[in-house]
Amino acid sequence: GAGVSQTPSNKVTEKGKYVELRCDPISGHTALYWYRQSLGQGPEFLIYFQGTGAADDSGLPNDRFFAVRPEGSVSTLKIQRTERGDSAVYLCASSFRDGEKLFFGSGTQLSVL
Amino acid sequence: QQQVKQSPQSLIVQKGGISIINCAYENTAFDYFPWYQQFPGKGPALLIAIRPDVSEKKEGRFTISFNKSAKQFSLHIMDSQPGDSATYFCAARRKGGGNKLTFGTGTQLKVEL
Repeated sequence: GAGVSQTPSNKVTEKGKYVELRCDPISGHTALYWYRQSLGQGPEFLIYFQGTGAADDSGLPNDRFFAVRPEGSVSTLKIQRTERGDSAVYLCASSFRDGEKLFFGSGTQLSVL
Repeated sequence: QQQVKQSPQSLIVQKGGISIINCAYENTAFDYFPWYQQFPGKGPALLIAIRPDVSEKKEGRFTISFNKSAKQFSLHIMDSQPGDSATYFCAARRKGGGNKLTFGTGTQLKVEL
């Protein structure tokens, strides 16, 4: 079956612009995670959804970052007023309920010029 | 604050040799320790994981050794193959923290012929 799908695979934007990153989890997976991976670093937790609600958003760096999952499936990570420091690979992962095995997508490479 | 420290940053091993990657953690509330493998342009994929009530876990050529008193754990790759060349991340999860993982900084492994 299909894995976690993230679109776009690459996004180039200008400083100050708004961007949306999409994640399609594996069908039936109720838990969805967003991580951010800077060059040469390990993934850094941003937010976790169980169903439609954000169970833990403690990793969002500031109020420019927001994520939604309105129907408990697809999720969108939204970044307002992008800054050059936001440049990174944004990874989405899903798991069945709170299963320990996370399935990651290939990520969206965001470049803020 | 880096809660999971990983070393070495990079590693070159000859084909058939043993690759060893080490991690140390500080938070005694961590209760689950996975290792992820990441190829360029792909998301991390779960390789093997261990809980602190076990000192060793083996799956095929991959073994985790866990030292609870020292708060250290390591990944051993036996009979290393060129196809094992990738970046490896250790991670840790806090008890009751869903699947919010804290990752190490990664080890870039190259297996030479």
